[in-house]
Amino acid sequence: QKEVEQNSGPLSVPEGAIASLNCTYSDRVSQSFFWYRQYSGKSPELIMSIYSNGDKEDGRFTAQLNKASQYVSLLIRDSQPSDSATYLCALDTGTASKLTFGTGTRLQVTL
Amino acid sequence: NAGVMQNPRHLVRRRGQEARLRCSPMKGHSHVYWYRQLPEEGLKFMVYLQKENIIDESGMPKERFSAEFPKEGPSILRIQQVVRGDSAAYFCASSPSTGGSSGNTIYFGEGSWLTVV
Repeated sequence: QKEVEQNSGPLSVPEGAIASLNCTYSDRVSQSFFWYRQYSGKSPELIMSIYSNGDKEDGRFTAQLNKASQYVSLLIRDSQPSDSATYLCALDTGTASKLTFGTGTRLQVTL
Repeated sequence: NAGVMQNPRHLVRRRGQEARLRCSPMKGHSHVYWYRQLPEEGLKFMVYLQKENIIDESGMPKERFSAEFPKEGPSILRIQQVVRGDSAAYFCASSPSTGGSSGNTIYFGEGSWLTVV
C-alpha cells in the first residue's frame, strides 16, 4: 500500500462548482498535512496546511482532516479555470521534516 | 525577498556525463531539501541538508548521487555518469528551521529539468 494515495483523475468540474479532492494515508503517526498546487512544468506551490482534526478555511479553499479515518481532503469553492492544475497531497511523518507526496490529482475546470 | 533560486533551469547531458544542480535557499533559511519528480510520478524526497551537514539522505540513490551545502555558497546536487533514467525535474526547497510538523513552511524553487540523451 502506498503511503499517500490520491486518485490521479482527471477530475473535471464546471466553472463555479465545488471541486473535492481526496487523499488517504497509511502512516498513523503523521502529524502535518499539506496541499500543494502544481501547474504543468512549474514548481509545487503550497495551498493549505492542516495539523488538527476538522476544517480549515482560507478563501475559496477548505482543508479537512480526519486522523481516525486517515484522510485529508481539499475543497475548492467557486472553481475557476485558473484552478486547473495537479493537486498534490503531502504529509510530514516527523522524520527530519521530509514530506511524503501523493502522485497528485489533475483537476480540470471547464467553461 | 527572493525565493528559492535554482540553476540551471534546464540542463541537457549525454549519458556518462556529470550533472550539477545548484540551489540557493531563501534568505534566512538554513534548511535545504532536494526532491525528484520523474515523469508522471509524485515528488520523492532525496536529501535534507543544513549548512555543512547532511541530516537525512535516505532518499538518495546509493551510487552516483551526492549532495552538499557548504558554509558559503549554494547547495549542490551532483549526479555522476548520468543515465537516461535520471531525466527528471529536480526541486530544491528550503525552510527557516525544521519544516513540516513545527509549522514552518517548506518553499520550493522553480526546479531544474534534467534531460539525458
